[in-house]
Amino acid sequence: GAGVSQSPSNKVTEKGKDVELRCDPISGHTALYWYRQSLGQGLEFLIYFQGNSAPDKSGLPSDRFSAERTGGSVSTLTIQRTQQEDSAVYLCASSLSSGGQYFGPGTRLLVL
Amino acid sequence: AQSVTQPDIHITVSEGASLELRCNYSYGATPYLFWYVQSPGQGLQLLLKYFSGDTLVQGIKGFEAEFKRSQSSFNLRKPSVHWSDAAEYFCAVANYGGSQGNLIFGKGTKLSVKP
Repeated sequence: GAGVSQSPSNKVTEKGKDVELRCDPISGHTALYWYRQSLGQGLEFLIYFQGNSAPDKSGLPSDRFSAERTGGSVSTLTIQRTQQEDSAVYLCASSLSSGGQYFGPGTRLLVL
Repeated sequence: AQSVTQPDIHITVSEGASLELRCNYSYGATPYLFWYVQSPGQGLQLLLKYFSGDTLVQGIKGFEAEFKRSQSSFNLRKPSVHWSDAAEYFCAVANYGGSQGNLIFGKGTKLSVKP
């Protein structure tokens, strides 16, 4: 079946611009996660959605980062006023209640 | 707070040799543990997971891992490595102790395979 998909696969933007990253989870998966992977920091948790519950935003690094999940499916991660330190690969994952997160291919973001 | 340590940054093994990648975790209760593999330019693929029960867990691609509570370890093993196993391997523990908590990852171990 179809896995987690993310778009765009690559994004180059200028410092100060806003960007939107999209994630389509596996159909029927109730939980959706965003992570960030960078050379210096490794894999970092950003935000977690579970069903209709309020999201766990404890990993967001600043208020420039936000995310929403519409209709319990697609999610968008928005970074406002991008900075060079935001350059990283942004990974999305989804899971069922039985656990085990399945990751998408990621969006590679480069802020110039 | 939960944490994961992968002591080996880079390991090189010969094709056909056995492999063991080390992982130590820090968590007060029974942890939910995972191993993922990442090939260059790819996302993370789930190799196996441990939630409870049998401490020896079988995964995909011939990998297995053993949970040892006394040593706070969850080492990944493979009896015979193939060249296609060259990749980066990440051990992770679920936060909050639940099966659906966010994952806390180790820094990863890069595996190189010699012909």
